[in-house]
Amino acid sequence: DQQVKQNSPSLSVQEGRISILNCDYTNSMFDYFLWYKKYPAEGPTFLISISSIKDKNEDGRFTVFLNKSAKHLSLHIVPSQPGDSAVYFCAAARAGGYQKVTFGIGTKLQVIP
Amino acid sequence: KAGVTQTPRYLIKTRGQQVTLSCSPISGHRSVSWYQQTPGQGLQFLFEYFSETQRNKGNFPGRFSGRQFSNSRSEMNVSTLELGDSALYLCASSLASGGIGETQYFGPGTRLLVL
Repeated sequence: DQQVKQNSPSLSVQEGRISILNCDYTNSMFDYFLWYKKYPAEGPTFLISISSIKDKNEDGRFTVFLNKSAKHLSLHIVPSQPGDSAVYFCAAARAGGYQKVTFGIGTKLQVIP
Repeated sequence: KAGVTQTPRYLIKTRGQQVTLSCSPISGHRSVSWYQQTPGQGLQFLFEYFSETQRNKGNFPGRFSGRQFSNSRSEMNVSTLELGDSALYLCASSLASGGIGETQYFGPGTRLLVL
């Protein structure tokens, strides 16, 4: 049973436009959410996170939004750049068990120059 | 500072065999976690070792085991390989136990193919 769902396996966006990656979760015990980026032949790298006490967190071109009532989070990348082309994983964790972080299956983002 | 290294990078085995994968964490990091990545399941947590002790374990059968040495290097072993074990196995290191996000660093992974 997928507790963290990324329903879009892929997404194509023009350079300079906004990329929006979506993620849904089912376990209401999750209280910490993360996004990772993964290039081919490399391990995932941490991108941005958000605690359940917040509904928005920004870091440069990357913003994560959390809607707890809908159990939904999204990652916005503005403006999108060709170097952003990668697989993005959404992940969720719960207090007392952060190491057992649960990942989604990933969304492959392609930014077209 | 050298990153997390994993060996071998690619491996082909046949059903029923066993395999051992190795992970060397970033110098000074004492926690090593292992994850399995498959297309249909994403990344799934296998286990975490800290100071040579298993601290956390995911929902995988006993065929999956690991250990950590005094120099923090870790090995993961899978016995009686099944076709479904074909995956990318990632390890990640952190300074403290339970580190995730910005405190955790992933290696490039070992791609295992079971025929």
